[in-house]
Amino acid sequence: DQQVKQNSPSLSVQEGRISILNCDYTNSMFDYFLWYKKYPAEGPTFLISISSIKDKNEDGRFTVFLNKSAKHLSLHIVPSQPGDSAVYFCAASVRQGGSEKLVFGKGTKLTVNP
Amino acid sequence: EPEVTQTPSHQVTQMGQEVILRCVPISNHLYFYWYRQILGQKVEFLVSFYNNEISEKSEIFDDQFSVERPDGSNFTLKIRSTKLEDSAMYFCASRGRGSGSRINEQFFGPGTRLTVL
Repeated sequence: DQQVKQNSPSLSVQEGRISILNCDYTNSMFDYFLWYKKYPAEGPTFLISISSIKDKNEDGRFTVFLNKSAKHLSLHIVPSQPGDSAVYFCAASVRQGGSEKLVFGKGTKLTVNP
Repeated sequence: EPEVTQTPSHQVTQMGQEVILRCVPISNHLYFYWYRQILGQKVEFLVSFYNNEISEKSEIFDDQFSVERPDGSNFTLKIRSTKLEDSAMYFCASRGRGSGSRINEQFFGPGTRLTVL
């Protein structure tokens, strides 16, 4: 049951360039989407979120884009920094009338090379 | 910045034993969650808890699992009789309520690594 899919297990970019992490979902009931970053031996750290009524949300170097018709979202990091190297999880939830449990993708390991 | 804490960081137990994993959510949060991540797999939802009762649970959360908020600050996950397949990282999360960009998000603890032998 892969309601949230991250098809790229890994991504490598040069410092200063843009990192683009992609996520697809299948459940049209999802109305809220989040990105978490995870370092080894730590819990997921909240990065940025977007409601389904929006198509873009920006926070500093991080921007999330949502394409509802394609059931696709992406996280852009620009400029990428070596400290951004981590596993990035896409997550989705049903906020209206739901328990707001998070459904996670499998994650994409981002490596930013100096 | 306030954070979710979890103890112990690592728990080793024998199959069939009971374990209790402890969490201290962020103090003004109202919603509490447990998730787990088996090595190499995705983070999976176990249970959500609000107003002193379970609001939703997954298929994984069978009769061997229970949650409790015993004293208004701690939030515990008990596994009554552990199985080998319960070996995983267990993450606690909490969420507030209200307006603002971050208060409504789930914040995760560092996790407890449970190893069942």
